[in-house]
Amino acid sequence: AQSVTQLDSQVPVFEEAPVELRCNYSSSVSVYLFWYVQYPNQGLQLLLKYLSGSTLVKGINGFEAEFNKSQTSFHLRKPSVHISDTAEYFCAVRDTGSSNTGKLIFGQGTTLQVKP
Amino acid sequence: GAGVSQSPSNKVTEKGKDVELRCDPISGHTALYWYRQRLGQGLEFLIYFQGNSAPDKSGLPSDRFSAERTGESVSTLTIQRTQQEDSAVYLCASSLVGSGGQETQYFGPGTRLLVL
Repeated sequence: AQSVTQLDSQVPVFEEAPVELRCNYSSSVSVYLFWYVQYPNQGLQLLLKYLSGSTLVKGINGFEAEFNKSQTSFHLRKPSVHISDTAEYFCAVRDTGSSNTGKLIFGQGTTLQVKP
Repeated sequence: GAGVSQSPSNKVTEKGKDVELRCDPISGHTALYWYRQRLGQGLEFLIYFQGNSAPDKSGLPSDRFSAERTGESVSTLTIQRTQQEDSAVYLCASSLVGSGGQETQYFGPGTRLLVL
């Protein structure tokens, strides 16, 4: 069975500071990895995804994430955050197998609080 | 273009009543997913529909939960004899299929269900 652990439930940070949101996963098979963002009172929006190839993935709004297979991690980073980045961030995995229905396994989420 | 829509946006019901939640996927998306998001937790997979294939119901928590989908369009999630533990945000997502699990799931805004 697959699982996802987001190590921080809340991350407070000042505006223009760098931020890292941590994500570790557990799986016995190859996985695809995703980060979604949920702004207040809105649905989830895809930030970025790792499918194959380069382990450094760039997404929207200046975010990037690095896939580390040996550490089974997929941490999300941004060099300088804005107030508008305040939101809930979810890490998710999906089995790459042919029998996979495509369902995503999500972590519990990290609330990023950007302070002025 | 239109995204995934869900109705109602909010639903308050009494314990023991049945509720029906609706999801309209993006036109042309053959795959449809239902997830549940309890307060302070990540999303839990409930059920997956893909074309005319048998749905993956492995995430449904009890036989009080059921879902239907008409062709490749609207889906309804029904919860019978609601319990307070069913209170959550119910999210629907849709996607194209054909990339071996690489496709992006697009989420609706969710239905917030409160069982009193």
